Amino acid sequence: SSELTQDPAVSVALGQTVRITCQGDSLRNYYASWYQQKPGQAPVLVIYGRNNRPSGIPDRLSGSSSGNTASLTITGAQAEDEADYYCNSRDSSGTSLFGGGTKLTVL
Amino acid sequence: QITLKESGPTLVKPTQTLTLTCTFSGFSLSSSGVGVGWIRQPPGKALEWLVLIYWDDDKRYSPSLKSRLTITKDTSKNQVVLKMTNMDPVDTGTYYCVHVDYSANGDFDYWGQGTLVTVSS
Repeated sequence: SSELTQDPAVSVALGQTVRITCQGDSLRNYYASWYQQKPGQAPVLVIYGRNNRPSGIPDRLSGSSSGNTASLTITGAQAEDEADYYCNSRDSSGTSLFGGGTKLTVL
Repeated sequence: QITLKESGPTLVKPTQTLTLTCTFSGFSLSSSGVGVGWIRQPPGKALEWLVLIYWDDDKRYSPSLKSRLTITKDTSKNQVVLKMTNMDPVDTGTYYCVHVDYSANGDFDYWGQGTLVTVSS
């Protein structure tokens, strides 16, 4: 069955760059989208498509993809970027799946 | 302005059927490309996609839960209803209603606040 794999936890020093990755076979054919979730809140879409940000999402967040791996990069991480990040992708049957999530800590 | 709000019981007993309603505004579920779905999250765990219903009444279910889920829409009331049978304590979690528009980005661009459902006797 399809699945998306993420590292459980990543840390970054304030102002530095961090990459959060997501691996899965579906990513060879479909773009990943990325969701940011802060404690006690609903997730928020932050990256979709090739590398698109909804209105209000800072441009320090960017997305990329290569082969079976999608990445979310935060350039110049801020304290407010500390959150859980989930990747999501469709598959060929039209269903959707999420990665296990990555907890980002900004030091 | 698109908004979605989940409603339903906060506590259900094992083996019972859960019925959740998503009431939305700011869009029409009869517009081409539009869909409404459900995503859940057990406490402290990852998001899990459950189901989507589209403007044309096409439905997509999570393969692992397909036998237990039913989704319907009432376009006139701007509501989507999710039924999940044979509830178990492992189904405890926050259930989110989401909007998707394949004529735009096809991703979950609006979320409800979520509703916490506890399964316990």
